Amino acid sequence: AQSVAQPEDQVNVAEGNPLTVKCTYSVSGNPYLFWYVQYPNRGLQFLLKYITGDNLVKGSYGFEAEFNKSQTSFHLKKPSALVSDSALYFCAVSRGGNFNKFYFGSGTKLNVKP
Amino acid sequence: DGGITQSPKYLFRKEGQNVTLSCEQNLNHDAMYWYRQDPGQGLRLIYYSQIVNDFQKGDIAEGYSVSREKKESFPLTVTSAQKNPTAFYLCATLGRVNSNQPQHFGDGTRLSIL
Repeated sequence: AQSVAQPEDQVNVAEGNPLTVKCTYSVSGNPYLFWYVQYPNRGLQFLLKYITGDNLVKGSYGFEAEFNKSQTSFHLKKPSALVSDSALYFCAVSRGGNFNKFYFGSGTKLNVKP
Repeated sequence: DGGITQSPKYLFRKEGQNVTLSCEQNLNHDAMYWYRQDPGQGLRLIYYSQIVNDFQKGDIAEGYSVSREKKESFPLTVTSAQKNPTAFYLCATLGRVNSNQPQHFGDGTRLSIL
């Protein structure tokens, strides 16, 4: 069965410190990997994606993510957290093909304290 | 996302009533999706459509119905058969079905039972 796991329901970090939000997946083939952010009562906003190539991808608002094929992980990172980064983060995986079904993790709430 | 409009933002359903959630897009995207979001459960796929006049059931289609009469529109009806409809409903689009692009999301409709 295809699945995406975000093992931490919540991550707390102090402003200015680095942050990591973890994601692992179990999807056959060569999937496409995405990170989204959601603010309260809003839809999901795309942050970044990995398709192929360099394992470190950079995205919006200073976020980056590291793809690790052997560990089937795609962790989201940021060198210096901002209070405004506090939100719900979702990892998603797509297999592409004739129907692009997206598999979503359960979400990780990031709290950045001043 | 300005290209996807979901309405209403809040909706209340009475016992035994059907209600319809609207999703309109001006992105000229081929595929449209409906997701249900419950706290701590990520996004679950209800229905999807790759082309006008065609749609397929997702993982939790029971108690829901859709139509795709126009490329721009993909309304979702929550029927009285859905016994636990309280959730946040998200509409998403994808430019081309077999692409590696991310989905785009509307700002959601929050449905509650009166």
